[in-house]
Amino acid sequence: QQQVKQSPQSLIVQKGGISIINCAYENTAFDYFPWYQQFPGKGPALLIAIRPDVSEKKEGRFTISFNKSAKQFSLHIMDSQPGDSATYFCAAPWLGGSARQLTFGSGTQLTVLP
Amino acid sequence: NAGVTQTPKFRVLKTGQSMTLLCAQDMNHEYMYWYRQDPGMGLRLIHYSVGEGTTAKGEVPDGYNVSRLKKQNFLLGLESAAPSQTSVYFCASSYGDRNQPQHFGDGTRLSIL
Repeated sequence: QQQVKQSPQSLIVQKGGISIINCAYENTAFDYFPWYQQFPGKGPALLIAIRPDVSEKKEGRFTISFNKSAKQFSLHIMDSQPGDSATYFCAAPWLGGSARQLTFGSGTQLTVLP
Repeated sequence: NAGVTQTPKFRVLKTGQSMTLLCAQDMNHEYMYWYRQDPGMGLRLIHYSVGEGTTAKGEVPDGYNVSRLKKQNFLLGLESAAPSQTSVYFCASSYGDRNQPQHFGDGTRLSIL
């Protein structure tokens, strides 16, 4: 079993600011750490993912930083916009039973003020 | 392209009643998953399937059963609903379990009275 600790639980930033969400995992030998974005009334959708053989991945305003030795990874949202207001989940893989499974963090509710 | 479709979207049950949640995907994915989402607890895996005719237990399987008779469908059953099963249930599918994103449906909101 895998545990993933995500912080903060909620985050309020001003438009144009930087949003930072952190996650820590216990153990994994695998190669895919995704972040999901969820809007109210919808299912989570993949936002961005990183392989642990790189320390950073950037897609537009979204960047994942990965610290393998510390077993931590974080999501940075640059120039945050009101449309980014959503709940964000990190996830870490582990091998359980017949397939790799994802353990999700508890989520961060982001509010970007206009 | 519908992706992952869950039915029903909402349901209220009384304690002890049974029901089945249906998940259908049109992406020809091998892997399918059922999660429950509770406030402050993220998504927890209930059961999953690695292909037609297969099922396996996840993190919180007690009180639930599943079936995958057809590749595109994954059913979640509650035999005797309990108030602790009040939750939002999400189905997801993926092409594989290595570096493959999971595609989620929009959820079923289930209340057990």
